[in-house]
Amino acid sequence: QKEVEQNSGPLSVPEGAIASLNCTYSDRVSQSFFWYRQYSGKSPELIMSIYSNGDKEDGRFTAQLNKASQYVSLLIRDSQPSDSATYLCAVAPNDYKLSFGAGTTVTVRA
Amino acid sequence: NAGVTQTPKFQVLKTGQSMTLQCAQDMNHNSMYWYRQDPGMGLRLIYYSASEGTTDKGEVPNGYNVSRLNKREFSLRLESAAPSQTSVYFCASRPGTARPGQPQHFGDGTRLSIL
Repeated sequence: QKEVEQNSGPLSVPEGAIASLNCTYSDRVSQSFFWYRQYSGKSPELIMSIYSNGDKEDGRFTAQLNKASQYVSLLIRDSQPSDSATYLCAVAPNDYKLSFGAGTTVTVRA
Repeated sequence: NAGVTQTPKFQVLKTGQSMTLQCAQDMNHNSMYWYRQDPGMGLRLIYYSASEGTTDKGEVPNGYNVSRLNKREFSLRLESAAPSQTSVYFCASRPGTARPGQPQHFGDGTRLSIL
């Protein structure tokens, strides 16, 4: 079993819709969770971090964490063409390392 | 404010050649990392340095060596390049254990092709 698994995608949504991305992780002791966005040919950039159960909102992005079920999700509201990218879920099983999922590619249709 | 700087940005090698990828950060971070990214594989950790003076293997260390030259610089060396090492290499840094839970910040990457 991979340490971090994401829904495989690709995910295509119309402009203005909600894009929903899911991620599950295997190491129950993980305490820190991150979502990175990566445009084609670019490096990953941090868009959200979440540490406690529940929801965390930042603009059009909402991260949701459920440690009991070992999943973390990302909602993108009012999706824009500029949101078209690959989204990487990252989980910190300890203070030294991050484990990344393979990523979900999102395409927003104008 | 440069953040994490990687050199070179692109490189083409022949099988068997050696090369060193350079990484430097100006954020006074303690921990530094080297990843490779292949299509459909996500980011895989090659080596990391939790603090100056220490290095540890990650998920895919075979064929690579690293040097933590000082707090700012962390280099990755391919001693005898193989076509399987064709990939995009990312260096990253984070504050370290003094500030637990902090995310990693990435450089722009080095696109390496081995013929």
